Amino acid sequence: NAGVTQTPKFQVLKTGQSMTLQCAQDMNHNSMYWYRQDPGMGLRLIYYSASEGTTDKGEVPNGYNVSRLNKREFSLRLESAAPSQTSVYFCASQEYSNQPQHFGDGTRLSIL
Amino acid sequence: AQTVTQSQPEMSVQEAETVTLSCTYDTSESNYYLFWYKQPPSRQMILVIRQEAYKQQNATENRFSVNFQKAAKSFSLKISDSQLGDTAMYFCAFMTNFGNEKLTFGTGTRLTIIP
Repeated sequence: NAGVTQTPKFQVLKTGQSMTLQCAQDMNHNSMYWYRQDPGMGLRLIYYSASEGTTDKGEVPNGYNVSRLNKREFSLRLESAAPSQTSVYFCASQEYSNQPQHFGDGTRLSIL
Repeated sequence: AQTVTQSQPEMSVQEAETVTLSCTYDTSESNYYLFWYKQPPSRQMILVIRQEAYKQQNATENRFSVNFQKAAKSFSLKISDSQLGDTAMYFCAFMTNFGNEKLTFGTGTRLTIIP
């Protein structure tokens, strides 16, 4: 039972490089989310997709883009990575309104 | 906008003892959901317990229970008979009930269970 799968688990980039973080869920959930976790700040929402074909900005969207490729997959792209984007990134999915969100294992991303 | 405050950055307790983690929140909504998530060193985010604001009865899950005080906007987590495996970061989170299912998280409490 895979749940929410994120790839890669770790990545080191140089400033200015681009990268796409992948997320896939096998629970047939409608909504998907991308969060970042920084020390002392909890998780903050970057972007979310309430359903296939829709995406919306969260609290900290600057420097990121997303694609809801299909119902299963929701990717997060950094077009030009900056050191301030060093963080742990979590993808989550949710079956429908007011149900708990299920999280992937996270991607630790370091920007040098 | 909703805010969630966890005022205890770190706590420690002896194994088998009971510990309570505090969480307060601010919202103008009357109907919402509250969650506690656990993040062990493995980095996974694991749902511990969930509370619907319209339910007066406090949620319980085995050794985990909450004290939900709606008027005070307080949502504390009690862990009974603490175990070494309870060592983790604990996050309180809030979600509204208006079709906008975004979670707002607190900054977390790092709990250490001492053998």
